[in-house]
Amino acid sequence: GIQVEQSPPDLILQEGANSTLRCNFSDSVNNLQWFHQNPWGQLINLFYIPSGTKQNGRLSATTVATERYSLLYISSSQTTDSGVYFCAGGANAGGTSYGKLTFGQGTILTVHP
Amino acid sequence: EPEVTQTPSHQVTQMGQEVILRCVPISNHLYFYWYRQILGQKVEFLVSFYNNEISEKSEIFDDQFSVERPDGSNFTLKIRSTKLEDSAMYFCASSEWTGGWNEQFFGPGTRLTVL
Repeated sequence: GIQVEQSPPDLILQEGANSTLRCNFSDSVNNLQWFHQNPWGQLINLFYIPSGTKQNGRLSATTVATERYSLLYISSSQTTDSGVYFCAGGANAGGTSYGKLTFGQGTILTVHP
Repeated sequence: EPEVTQTPSHQVTQMGQEVILRCVPISNHLYFYWYRQILGQKVEFLVSFYNNEISEKSEIFDDQFSVERPDGSNFTLKIRSTKLEDSAMYFCASSEWTGGWNEQFFGPGTRLTVL
């Protein structure tokens, strides 16, 4: 299966700062999703982005499928952005995979007021 | 907006007991999944389910685990004889299936504690 690596593992920001989180994957993906895990443990869908660029408010994401990476941008960070950010990728390896997502280890973001 | 729901939100059980975790996927979705996350670790795939059968399962999903869609709305994960290492957050997810890969929508999770 594919390997998914995220960087940085930890990120500490002051409120108002911008940040970029990176996700590298070992093979071409058919699915790429970004999640925010809140303090209650819930996984919140941020983006479904197997390729291209999307924006949602202060968040945007870009996936460059040919180079096997995705970036999540957070602008003007707020304390409520704190939590763990996961990317997850899925690849249809030889037609034997049916949607399995492989998650990265996550980036722990802490935003201080 | 449609969402995946899971019950219970928390489950505490004794080692060796059977537990059933329940999920209601989004109504027009055809693919269903279970994932788990041990505290402090990444989320891991357990199993995918389509057309009333398992499509794919991980090494974690051994004979102690089973899944079922007992009716048109529920999707369950059963652990026959729980172990301490089964303590984790269990997430259900669902997606449409239109012949390609679609976004997966995750439920809020069930936190299982095995004592």
